Amino acid sequence: GAVVSQHPSWVICKSGTSVKIECRSLDFQATTMFWYRQFPKQSLMLMATSNEGSKATYEQGVEKDKFLINHASLTLSTLTVTSAHPEDSSFYICSAGRTGTGSYNEQFFGPGTRLTVL
Amino acid sequence: RKEVEQDPGPFNVPEGATVAFNCTYSNSASQSFFWYRQDCRKEPKLLMSVYSSGNEDGRFTAQLNRASQYISLLIRDSKLSDSATYLCVVNTVLISGNTGKLIFGQGTTLQVKP
Repeated sequence: GAVVSQHPSWVICKSGTSVKIECRSLDFQATTMFWYRQFPKQSLMLMATSNEGSKATYEQGVEKDKFLINHASLTLSTLTVTSAHPEDSSFYICSAGRTGTGSYNEQFFGPGTRLTVL
Repeated sequence: RKEVEQDPGPFNVPEGATVAFNCTYSNSASQSFFWYRQDCRKEPKLLMSVYSSGNEDGRFTAQLNRASQYISLLIRDSKLSDSATYLCVVNTVLISGNTGKLIFGQGTTLQVKP
């Protein structure tokens, strides 16, 4: 159980276009989903926390108008990179939080989306 | 100062060697600690959680020292398949029903050679 999918797995687009990435929890409900970005040879950096039915919480330095997040259901969150530029090329990974018993709660990661902006 | 610091390596070791990775974290309020493994161009996968009492899973042993804010991972009898980047991860939130926010270290790269 606890499978998270992402679509697409990779995308190449022209500068100025918008790209939507989907993150789905396949076999559990996720009240909270997280969006990360990873540049080559660097670690994952949290971009935003997405809560079902409410506005996302963005990390410092992440432009909310550029990275639009929608979490309309308990199994789906989307990240739209608007007017993408070459510097937005990166590996975007989502994770879904599943509330466990007691105080230990887990995050399950999607396989990631590799975005290349030409 | 980074919230979670690791030696990026790479660590190049022969098969069968024992290798240890270290990690320090800056937020004393951190509550949960993990080691993740990430293969090239893949998502991170949970390797093991880390507890104050220390925990072992086969060839892998993780230790936590809260006083020193230090986490370690020991891999015994290294296999070629252990080659990957190992990420030290810290979660500062301990609220029931809340998954919290994971802070990732830069990762330590391990290359196991035949």
